[in-house]
Amino acid sequence: KQEVTQIPAALSVPEGENLVLNCSFTDSAIYNLQWFRQDPGKGLTSLLLIQSSQREQTSGRLNASLDKSSGRSTLYIAASQPGDSATYLCAVRPFQKLVFGQGTRLTINP
Amino acid sequence: NAGVTQTPKFQVLKTGQSMTLQCAQDMNHEYMSWYRQDPGMGLRLIHYSVGAGITDQGEVPNGYNVSRSTTEDFPLRLLSAAPSQTSVYFCASRPDRVYNSPLHFGNGTRLTVT
Repeated sequence: KQEVTQIPAALSVPEGENLVLNCSFTDSAIYNLQWFRQDPGKGLTSLLLIQSSQREQTSGRLNASLDKSSGRSTLYIAASQPGDSATYLCAVRPFQKLVFGQGTRLTINP
Repeated sequence: NAGVTQTPKFQVLKTGQSMTLQCAQDMNHEYMSWYRQDPGMGLRLIHYSVGAGITDQGEVPNGYNVSRSTTEDFPLRLLSAAPSQTSVYFCASRPDRVYNSPLHFGNGTRLTVT
């Protein structure tokens, strides 16, 4: 059974720092991995999708990497801003569903 | 562009009542799904559909029914609500024929069963 783990559960950093969020999964048989952002009381917003054949994807200040063989992905956020405060979830797609981690709650302090 | 629209945003039910959570998307997506989000459990798939007339069960389907009569709509029915169904429910869709397409989520329905 595919399991996804995100560590740490919460992270607080000062504004302007670069930071890395971690995601690990137990089964490398995936089509893709997706990173989402969730603001309190809101739905999930897709940030980046990495196909299983890719190593990384970039969007603005965000860079996500994927190492299928080790079952790991990282989300790198450059020059963090208070508006980046949210919960970040990763999810892997084995077939017709996504398996989610429990998220990292990120707080950027001004 | 509305995307994925869920109604209602909030609902309180008494144990044993039934109700339907509505989900509509205007992106012509073949794939639609329902997730529930609970503290400490993350998001779990309830049911999904890959097109009109086709539905299948996810991880936690018990107590829920779905149907897909049109491409746009994918309602979730609670037959006899139980306190264990208190949760936040999310509908999500993607174009199924584009295999590596991201999943688009609605803003959720917060359900409390007393």
